[in-house]
This record gives sequence, structure tokens and C-alpha cells, in this order.
Amino acid sequence: SQKIEQNSEALNIQEGKTATLTCNYTNYSPAYLQWYRQDPGRGPVFLLLIRENEKEKRKERLKVTFDTTLKQSLFHITASQPADSATYLCALVTAGANSKLTFGKGITLSVRP
Amino acid sequence: EPEVTQTPSHQVTQMGQEVILRCVPISNHLYFYWYRQILGQKVEFLVSFYNNEISEKSEIFDDQFSVERPDGSNFTLKIRSTKLEDSAMYFCASSDLGYGYTFGSGTRLTVV
Repeated sequence: SQKIEQNSEALNIQEGKTATLTCNYTNYSPAYLQWYRQDPGRGPVFLLLIRENEKEKRKERLKVTFDTTLKQSLFHITASQPADSATYLCALVTAGANSKLTFGKGITLSVRP
Repeated sequence: EPEVTQTPSHQVTQMGQEVILRCVPISNHLYFYWYRQILGQKVEFLVSFYNNEISEKSEIFDDQFSVERPDGSNFTLKIRSTKLEDSAMYFCASSDLGYGYTFGSGTRLTVV
């Protein structure tokens, strides 16, 4: 069966450290993978998109990698701040799937001051 | 920055009643979606809409659900006869293919 797994439900880190969030998937062939941030009671907010033929993307303090052999994406937040505390969602888009997003359950990040 | 607008933000309805959730997607986007999120669970796809017709729907999107784009700007989700298990946050989203999606802030639907 198809699965998208995010490695833990919660991650707690100290301000200034790098947060690394993992997304693993099975039985998918994603055309691309996206990361979203979700705050409580709010809709997901798009952060980064990486295509199947790309290895790495960066945007300011954010970096995402995509390994289609390992079927894994890593999402990094460098120099983390308490304002980065939120739930981070991994989502796949499969080729030919009319562009629908399939989400993982998300990882809740807490950054301690 | 362009936004997806959803109304109402909260809706309480009696079981068996019809509800219409409204969305104004970003004007130059071509693809429109409805997702839902039951409290504590993941965001789930309901339906996608392109070129004035449904392009894909999930198993959740049964005959009780329908979508419309009545006037070229609004995009609505109708639930004909609500059930307790329809209680959730409903998110509208729009996109251009190959780019990130823009989600609205959601409508919290409570069926009592």
C-alpha cells in the first residue's frame, strides 16, 4: 500500500540549532514533493517544492533534499527560531494524478528560546 | 500577496442539513481543490477542479458532495445532508500546475 511517513510526531530543539525533518514514502513515484507549514487552526502554507530530477533546493534558512532512490526527503531549518515552531507537512504529487497533493501527517517542531 | 479567501470561518449545522462552503481562489490560477482535516489527523484530498469540471475525486467525495464554480470567481463545496463525521476543517486551495498550492484559512464545520 502507499504510505507517506514523517519520522516522528514531535521534534524539540534549542534556538539556533538546525532542525532536520524526514519524509519517507513507499509505493509512490512522485513527480515532485512539497513542504508546507501549518499553524494551529490555519491552512497549510507552501514553503518549498522539489522536482524528481532535483537533488536539493534552498530558500533563505530552508533547505530540502530529495532522494528518489531512498524514497526520502529531508527538510532543514538552519539557525532555528521560536517563530519556526509549527507543524511541517510533506506532500507528494504523482505524475498523471491531476496534480492532487497527498499529505503526510506532519511533524510538530518546537524551538526553545 | 494574493490570497485564497474562504467563508464562513466557522459553521455549525444540524445533522441532515445542507451546507455550502465558499471560496474565492487566486484569480489567475487554473486548478482548484477542496481538502479536509479532521481534528488531529492529516490533510485529506477531496476533489480537484479544472476547466470547469471535476478532474479527480477521492473516495470521501461521495454523492453527498458537489462542487461548483458558478460565476468564474467563486468556488463552492456543497454537502447535501451532513453527518456527524463530516465535522472537520475544510480547506480550499488553488494552484498553477507545477507550483506550490495556496490554501485558504479554512472553514471549521461542526455538525451537531
